[in-house]
Amino acid sequence: KAGVTQTPRYLIKTRGQQVTLSCSPISGHRSVSWYQQTPGQGLQFLFEYFSETQRNKGNFPGRFSGRQFSNSRSEMNVSTLELGDSALYLCASSDGQALVVETQYFGPGTRLLVL
Amino acid sequence: AQSVSQHNHHVILSEAASLELGCNYSYGGTVNLFWYVQYPGQHLQLLLKYFSGDPLVKGIKGFEAEFIKSKFSFNLRKPSVQWSDTAEYFCAVKDDKIIFGKGTRLHILP
Repeated sequence: KAGVTQTPRYLIKTRGQQVTLSCSPISGHRSVSWYQQTPGQGLQFLFEYFSETQRNKGNFPGRFSGRQFSNSRSEMNVSTLELGDSALYLCASSDGQALVVETQYFGPGTRLLVL
Repeated sequence: AQSVSQHNHHVILSEAASLELGCNYSYGGTVNLFWYVQYPGQHLQLLLKYFSGDPLVKGIKGFEAEFIKSKFSFNLRKPSVQWSDTAEYFCAVKDDKIIFGKGTRLHILP
C-alpha cells in the first residue's frame, strides 16, 4: 500500500495570506489527523476527521480549519497567516475505529514558512 | 487536560550503552500509550504501544517500554543501543485525542 502523502512538501507564504494543505491517507483508512510540529512546542494536535466529520479538535484558533472528502482525502486551511504559524504540518491516517487502538501512520509533512 | 512530560530533551550515549527515556502523563483512567520515533529525514513511525494486558510491551528494533500505572509512567528502554538508533523519540498518550510529549533527541556516538 502507498503511504500517507502530503502536498505540497514546502511552502513559503507572507503574513496575512491563507494556505491550504492536502493529505491523502493510506487506502482504506477513514481517519485523518493533523498536527503542527515546532521546535518549541513539539507536536500539537490540530484536529481529526472521520467520515467527513470533525471528530476531535485541539486548542488552536479558528484560523485553522479542515475538511475531509468522501474519498477520505483531507485538506487543512490556515487563514490570515502569522509568523508563528511557521511549522511542519503533519498528517496521520488510521483505520478510525474508535474502539480499537489503531496505529497512526504519518506522512512526510508540509513545511510552511511564513515571512 | 491530559499532558505528557519527557524528562530528557537531549541524550548522548555511546554504542552498546543501555537506554532509558522517561515519560510521564498527567492523570489516570483508561489511557493508551505510545512511543514514536523519527529517524533523520524519515517519517514519524510507531515504535510500540500499550492499551491493556502485560505492562511490559515489546516493540520494533529491540525497544521495550514498561507501563507503571501507580507512577503514571511509560518509560522506553533498550539494553544496548546502536548508532542507527540516533533519532528523536516521542511519547504519546491517547484518551479522546493523542497528546505528544515534546520529544527526546537521542544521539549515539559510534
